[in-house]
Amino acid sequence: IQMTQSPSSLSASIGDRVTITCRASRSISSFLSWYQQKPGKPPKLLISGASSLRTGVPSRFRGGGSGTDFTLTISSLQPEDSATYYCQQSYNTAYSFGPGTKVEIK
Amino acid sequence: EVQLEESGGGLIQPGGSLRLSCAASGFSVSSTYMSWVRQAPGKGLEWVSFMYSSGTTYYADSVKGRFTISRDISKNTLFLQMNSLRGDDTAVYYCATSDGPRDFQEWGQGTLVTVSS
Repeated sequence: IQMTQSPSSLSASIGDRVTITCRASRSISSFLSWYQQKPGKPPKLLISGASSLRTGVPSRFRGGGSGTDFTLTISSLQPEDSATYYCQQSYNTAYSFGPGTKVEIK
Repeated sequence: EVQLEESGGGLIQPGGSLRLSCAASGFSVSSTYMSWVRQAPGKGLEWVSFMYSSGTTYYADSVKGRFTISRDISKNTLFLQMNSLRGDDTAVYYCATSDGPRDFQEWGQGTLVTVSS
Protein backbone atom coordinates (compact mmCIF):
# COMPACT_ATOMS: atom_id res chain seq x y z
CA ILE A 1 0.00 0.00 0.00
CA GLN A 2 1.48 3.33 -1.11
CA MET A 3 1.00 6.39 1.05
CA THR A 4 1.16 9.95 -0.25
CA GLN A 5 1.01 13.23 1.65
CA SER A 6 0.26 16.78 0.63
CA PRO A 7 1.63 19.30 0.76
CA SER A 8 5.27 18.21 1.04
CA SER A 9 5.94 21.37 2.99
CA LEU A 10 4.11 24.41 4.25
CA SER A 11 4.80 27.65 6.05
CA ALA A 12 2.18 29.13 8.35
CA SER A 13 1.87 31.74 11.08
CA ILE A 14 1.34 31.22 14.78
CA GLY A 15 -2.34 30.68 15.42
CA ASP A 16 -3.12 29.49 11.90
CA ARG A 17 -5.16 26.39 11.22
CA VAL A 18 -3.03 23.85 9.34
CA THR A 19 -4.27 20.74 7.53
CA ILE A 20 -2.12 17.93 6.14
CA THR A 21 -3.60 15.31 3.87
CA CYS A 22 -2.59 11.65 3.64
CA ARG A 23 -3.89 9.34 0.93
CA ALA A 24 -3.60 5.54 0.69
CA SER A 25 -3.42 3.70 -2.63
CA ARG A 26 -6.31 1.51 -1.47
CA SER A 27 -8.70 1.43 1.43
CA ILE A 28 -7.05 0.99 4.83
CA SER A 29 -10.19 1.44 6.91
CA SER A 30 -9.05 3.48 9.94
CA PHE A 31 -5.64 1.83 10.34
CA LEU A 32 -3.76 5.10 10.11
CA SER A 33 -1.38 6.76 12.56
CA TRP A 34 0.30 10.17 12.60
CA TYR A 35 3.79 11.00 13.90
CA GLN A 36 5.67 14.20 14.57
CA GLN A 37 9.44 14.31 14.14
CA LYS A 38 11.77 17.15 15.05
CA PRO A 39 15.34 17.35 13.70
CA GLY A 40 17.72 14.90 15.35
CA LYS A 41 14.95 13.29 17.37
CA PRO A 42 12.94 10.08 17.01
CA PRO A 43 9.35 10.31 15.82
CA LYS A 44 6.58 10.82 18.34
CA LEU A 45 3.21 9.13 17.97
CA LEU A 46 0.37 11.69 17.94
CA ILE A 47 -2.70 9.87 16.69
CA SER A 48 -3.65 6.25 16.09
CA GLY A 49 -6.73 4.64 14.61
CA ALA A 50 -7.06 7.71 12.36
CA SER A 51 -8.56 9.91 15.08
CA SER A 52 -7.55 8.76 18.57
CA LEU A 53 -5.32 11.31 20.20
CA ARG A 54 -2.54 9.78 22.25
CA THR A 55 -2.49 10.71 25.95
CA GLY A 56 -0.48 13.86 26.51
CA VAL A 57 -0.77 15.17 22.96
CA PRO A 58 -2.29 18.68 22.84
CA SER A 59 -5.93 18.83 21.84
CA ARG A 60 -5.13 21.24 19.00
CA PHE A 61 -4.09 18.14 17.02
CA ARG A 62 -6.97 16.32 15.36
CA GLY A 63 -7.04 13.38 12.99
CA GLY A 64 -9.84 12.41 10.66
CA GLY A 65 -10.80 10.32 7.69
CA SER A 66 -11.23 6.68 6.75
CA GLY A 67 -10.82 4.49 3.73
CA THR A 68 -8.23 6.19 1.54
CA ASP A 69 -8.28 9.85 2.60
CA PHE A 70 -7.09 11.18 5.94
CA THR A 71 -6.26 14.53 7.50
CA LEU A 72 -4.17 15.85 10.35
CA THR A 73 -5.31 19.27 11.50
CA ILE A 74 -3.53 21.60 13.88
CA SER A 75 -6.24 24.02 14.97
CA SER A 76 -3.95 26.80 16.18
CA LEU A 77 -0.31 26.45 15.16
CA GLN A 78 2.24 26.91 17.95
CA PRO A 79 6.02 27.47 17.70
CA GLU A 80 6.74 23.98 19.05
CA ASP A 81 4.73 22.43 16.20
CA SER A 82 7.52 23.14 13.73
CA ALA A 83 8.40 19.60 12.61
CA THR A 84 7.91 16.98 9.92
CA TYR A 85 4.71 14.97 10.11
CA TYR A 86 4.33 11.41 8.80
CA CYS A 87 1.30 9.22 8.31
CA GLN A 88 1.61 5.42 8.59
CA GLN A 89 -0.75 2.64 7.58
CA SER A 90 -1.15 -0.64 9.43
CA TYR A 91 -3.92 -2.24 7.36
CA ASN A 92 -1.62 -5.10 6.53
CA THR A 93 1.73 -6.24 7.87
CA ALA A 94 3.63 -4.45 5.11
CA TYR A 95 3.52 -1.29 7.19
CA SER A 96 4.30 1.87 5.26
CA PHE A 97 4.82 5.55 5.93
CA GLY A 98 3.98 8.59 3.89
CA PRO A 99 6.86 10.74 2.62
CA GLY A 100 6.30 13.42 5.24
CA THR A 101 5.10 17.03 5.42
CA LYS A 102 7.46 19.65 6.77
CA VAL A 103 5.70 22.38 8.74
CA GLU A 104 7.55 25.63 9.24
CA ILE A 105 6.60 28.74 11.18
CA LYS A 106 6.54 32.05 9.28
CA GLU B 1 9.16 4.52 32.53
CA VAL B 2 9.63 2.90 29.14
CA GLN B 3 13.15 3.31 27.79
CA LEU B 4 14.81 1.93 24.68
CA GLU B 5 18.52 2.21 23.91
CA GLU B 6 19.91 1.09 20.58
CA SER B 7 23.53 0.15 20.00
CA GLY B 8 25.70 -1.67 17.49
CA GLY B 9 25.70 0.78 14.61
CA GLY B 10 28.81 1.84 12.76
CA LEU B 11 30.64 1.81 9.45
CA ILE B 12 30.51 -1.47 7.56
CA GLN B 13 31.59 -2.46 4.07
CA PRO B 14 29.05 -3.58 1.46
CA GLY B 15 28.31 -7.26 1.82
CA GLY B 16 29.15 -7.21 5.52
CA SER B 17 27.08 -8.05 8.58
CA LEU B 18 26.10 -6.14 11.68
CA ARG B 19 23.93 -6.87 14.69
CA LEU B 20 21.97 -4.08 16.30
CA SER B 21 20.75 -4.29 19.88
CA CYS B 22 17.90 -2.50 21.62
CA ALA B 23 18.03 -2.69 25.40
CA ALA B 24 14.61 -2.19 26.96
CA SER B 25 13.69 -1.07 30.46
CA GLY B 26 10.41 -0.37 32.16
CA PHE B 27 8.65 -3.24 30.40
CA SER B 28 9.27 -6.75 29.09
CA VAL B 29 10.12 -7.27 25.41
CA SER B 30 8.27 -10.58 25.56
CA SER B 31 4.94 -8.98 26.41
CA THR B 32 4.81 -6.19 23.85
CA TYR B 33 5.16 -5.62 20.14
CA MET B 34 8.65 -4.61 19.07
CA SER B 35 9.85 -3.19 15.79
CA TRP B 36 12.69 -1.65 13.84
CA VAL B 37 12.18 1.44 11.71
CA ARG B 38 14.94 3.14 9.75
CA GLN B 39 15.55 6.56 8.27
CA ALA B 40 18.13 7.22 5.58
CA PRO B 41 19.97 10.54 5.94
CA GLY B 42 17.62 13.38 5.04
CA LYS B 43 14.87 10.97 4.05
CA GLY B 44 11.60 9.66 5.45
CA LEU B 45 10.75 6.74 7.68
CA GLU B 46 10.80 3.13 6.48
CA TRP B 47 9.44 0.23 8.49
CA VAL B 48 11.92 -2.67 8.61
CA SER B 49 10.65 -5.45 10.86
CA PHE B 50 8.07 -6.28 13.51
CA MET B 51 8.03 -8.94 16.24
CA TYR B 52 4.69 -9.64 17.85
CA SER B 53 4.52 -10.60 21.52
CA SER B 54 3.74 -14.14 20.28
CA GLY B 55 7.10 -14.24 18.53
CA THR B 56 5.65 -13.96 15.03
CA THR B 57 7.87 -11.83 12.80
CA TYR B 58 7.33 -9.70 9.71
CA TYR B 59 9.78 -8.00 7.37
CA ALA B 60 9.76 -5.33 4.70
CA ASP B 61 10.39 -6.74 1.22
CA SER B 62 13.57 -4.64 1.02
CA VAL B 63 15.21 -6.62 3.86
CA LYS B 64 13.48 -10.00 3.68
CA GLY B 65 16.02 -12.82 3.58
CA ARG B 66 18.85 -10.53 4.74
CA PHE B 67 17.69 -9.22 8.12
CA THR B 68 16.49 -11.21 11.15
CA ILE B 69 14.69 -9.81 14.18
CA SER B 70 15.01 -11.66 17.47
CA ARG B 71 14.82 -11.09 21.21
CA ASP B 72 16.57 -12.29 24.34
CA ILE B 73 14.03 -12.29 27.14
CA SER B 74 16.67 -12.86 29.84
CA LYS B 75 18.48 -9.70 28.71
CA ASN B 76 15.24 -7.87 27.85
CA THR B 77 16.82 -6.95 24.55
CA LEU B 78 15.69 -6.85 20.93
CA PHE B 79 18.13 -7.56 18.11
CA LEU B 80 18.36 -6.99 14.38
CA GLN B 81 20.87 -9.18 12.56
CA MET B 82 21.71 -7.54 9.24
CA ASN B 83 23.53 -9.55 6.57
CA SER B 84 24.53 -8.79 2.97
CA LEU B 85 24.42 -5.10 3.70
CA ARG B 86 24.09 -2.64 0.82
CA GLY B 87 24.57 1.08 0.43
CA ASP B 88 20.85 1.71 0.56
CA ASP B 89 20.75 0.17 4.04
CA THR B 90 22.58 3.25 5.32
CA ALA B 91 20.25 4.83 7.86
CA VAL B 92 19.52 5.59 11.46
CA TYR B 93 17.87 2.50 12.87
CA TYR B 94 15.26 3.03 15.56
CA CYS B 95 13.67 0.39 17.73
CA ALA B 96 10.13 1.01 18.89
CA THR B 97 7.59 -0.64 21.10
CA SER B 98 3.84 -0.71 21.25
CA ASP B 99 1.02 -2.42 23.10
CA GLY B 100 -0.51 -3.43 19.78
CA PRO B 101 0.49 -4.30 16.21
CA ARG B 102 -0.78 -1.11 14.62
CA ASP B 103 1.60 1.68 15.54
CA PHE B 104 4.93 2.61 17.12
CA GLN B 105 4.34 4.18 20.51
CA GLU B 106 7.73 4.57 22.16
CA TRP B 107 11.02 5.02 20.32
CA GLY B 108 14.70 4.84 21.11
CA GLN B 109 17.16 7.53 20.03
CA GLY B 110 18.47 5.42 17.15
CA THR B 111 21.81 4.08 16.00
CA LEU B 112 23.49 5.03 12.72
CA VAL B 113 24.52 2.34 10.26
CA THR B 114 26.73 3.43 7.37
CA VAL B 115 27.40 0.96 4.58
CA SER B 116 30.33 2.16 2.51
CA SER B 117 33.68 0.98 1.20
